[in-house]
Amino acid sequence: DVKVTQSSRYLVKRTGEKVFLECVQDMDHENMFWYRQDPGLGLRLIYFSYDVKMKEKGDIPEGYSVSREKKERFSLILESASTNQTSMYLCASSLTGGSGEQFFGPGTRLTVL
Amino acid sequence: RKEVEQDPGPFNVPEGATVAFNCTYSNSASQSFFWYRQDCRKEPKLLMSVYSSGNEDGRFTAQLNRASQYISLLIRDSKLSDSATYLCVVNLSNQFYFGTGTSLTVIP
Repeated sequence: DVKVTQSSRYLVKRTGEKVFLECVQDMDHENMFWYRQDPGLGLRLIYFSYDVKMKEKGDIPEGYSVSREKKERFSLILESASTNQTSMYLCASSLTGGSGEQFFGPGTRLTVL
Repeated sequence: RKEVEQDPGPFNVPEGATVAFNCTYSNSASQSFFWYRQDCRKEPKLLMSVYSSGNEDGRFTAQLNRASQYISLLIRDSKLSDSATYLCVVNLSNQFYFGTGTSLTVIP
């Protein structure tokens, strides 16, 4: 079974703090994604990566950066957290050329005070 | 314009009912299509892929109409455990585009 894990289920940070969200997958997937999910807006893509050290901006990259130093790990960084970044953050991975299915981690509920 | 649009509902149906969800997508070059299910406070999980010929998995039937750019999901004989949010997902060039989800509650 594919497993995608995220470093925290719940996180509370203060405005201006630097925040790291970690995601690890154990199935050697090339593609990894970070989304945020907000009521009424659905899942919105922040960044994605097709390979180690590669990254592409999604629909809402502002205020975020990412790092992919190893194939299994994709980190999302909030350089200076703001209250409008309070959200559910979901990491996902998928295999290039596979069925196209994405596998999601359990999510991190981030609250910025 | 959103890449994927679906009626948010909510749909409240009695047990045993048949319910259908529709979804439209804007890019005709979209390559693959899926329905995901998301339970409250959980991550989305694949329910089924959607193929041009239509496909069925037990009580669930998915259809794709490329000409009209819409995808449908039919649930027959609804169970209480079907209560969830159903997300329509479209894949284009390895990027995934999600609808906002349709909420279904099956009532005893």
